[in-house]
Amino acid sequence: QSALTQPASVSGSPGQSITISCTGTSSDVGGYNYVSWYQQHPGKAPKLMIYDVSNRPSGVSNRFSGSKSGNTASLTISGLQAEDEADYYCSSYTSSSTPLYVFGTGTKVTVL
Amino acid sequence: EVQLVESGGGLVQPGGSLRLSCAASGFTFSSYEMNWVRQAPGKGLEWVSYISSSGSTIYYADSVKGRFTISRDNAKNSLYLQMNSLRAEDTAVYYCARHEHFAYYFDYWGQGTLVTVSS
Repeated sequence: QSALTQPASVSGSPGQSITISCTGTSSDVGGYNYVSWYQQHPGKAPKLMIYDVSNRPSGVSNRFSGSKSGNTASLTISGLQAEDEADYYCSSYTSSSTPLYVFGTGTKVTVL
Repeated sequence: EVQLVESGGGLVQPGGSLRLSCAASGFTFSSYEMNWVRQAPGKGLEWVSYISSSGSTIYYADSVKGRFTISRDNAKNSLYLQMNSLRAEDTAVYYCARHEHFAYYFDYWGQGTLVTVSS
């Protein structure tokens, strides 16, 4: 099972909105509402930002939102801030036990 | 406060072995399912292995199956990854990550431990 496909990079100016796509198959993204998104700053551990497609954990800014259509999930960051500059990874549960989870290729978000 | 602290990483020769540990605190470890996720230098995340809360159910990525063994000791609040027959492509930061039963996301991650396989 291949990694989910994300754009390598996305950029935006402070205050703007950006959207990161995450494309999989009917065996992962399209088959379950179990897509999650993680933010990773350089040298740090990933941090959960969105789970089950569109739910935000406590403490995560409401500027982060998620959605899904078919085999593609999306993460939108509105009101872009300097601190949002990081790598973002999507992940999905899969129909196979190996791998049980698949991650996206990762997207570098740059705040201009 | 939930804490996951990995240890045991280091430099090992190809074909060698290493045992990683993940010490958990701040939550009832025996109630949570655990995973190992790795990240090669400059690369993306890769799920490695899963173990259920009781340890009765285990899954591995094809890339490590037959070489790595995940285990846990709920009495010691610890998760382990025994890595044998290591290859250069196993070089990565290894993270332990937890998720709740019937949840399909990783809500807390450790800081990671670096494993370098090189002669």
